[in-house]
Amino acid sequence: DAGVIQSPRHEVTEMGQEVTLRCKPISGHDYLFWYRQTMMRGLELLIYFNNNVPIDDSGMPEDRFSAKMPNASFSTLKIQPSEPRDSAVYFCASTNSNRGSAFFGQGTRLTVV
Amino acid sequence: AQSVTQLGSHVSVSEGALVLLRCNYSSSVPPYLFWYVQYPNQGLQLLLKYTSAATLVKGINGFEAEFKKSETSFHLTKPSAHMSDAAEYFCAVIHSGYSTLTFGKGTMLLVS
Repeated sequence: DAGVIQSPRHEVTEMGQEVTLRCKPISGHDYLFWYRQTMMRGLELLIYFNNNVPIDDSGMPEDRFSAKMPNASFSTLKIQPSEPRDSAVYFCASTNSNRGSAFFGQGTRLTVV
Repeated sequence: AQSVTQLGSHVSVSEGALVLLRCNYSSSVPPYLFWYVQYPNQGLQLLLKYTSAATLVKGINGFEAEFKKSETSFHLTKPSAHMSDAAEYFCAVIHSGYSTLTFGKGTMLLVS
């Protein structure tokens, strides 16, 4: 298995633009997580899905952020409009158990200028 | 709320020296505990996990951690550091009734 695949690896965009981050979880995993990593706040859970259904989105910072999981093999995190304070590394992770360890993708480094 | 505290944002050791990275958790019920490693510009990789079996857990790359309930600790150790161990290390917890990992702030290990 290729592991969790995220795209793009790097994204530079201007303030106000829409940004879409993509994630393909490991086949057979029924939990998917989106995390954000910054120097100031460390690793923060944004949202997670179980069987394609959003379970907890309390970590989503504001309405500019949205996430979808239309099927078991694909998820998106969208920021519209983007702001400089959204600059961070965004990680997607998946697991096949609510007690299991999560497998992380390589991350998307987002820079909003 | 579940949480972990990592003592020391940076730890420096010489090659060949003992590595000790500290992690304390808060919980009123037995937790599942994890250590992850992050190399520069990479995602997080699981080193080891404690799931209420043996209290001494062995992981990859020669690392191990011991669960001590009396001290609410899960410190990570390695007898002899190697240059390739230089990375950031994260302690994480899942508590009963939850499905998500809560991470500590991370400890950067520097090996000289």
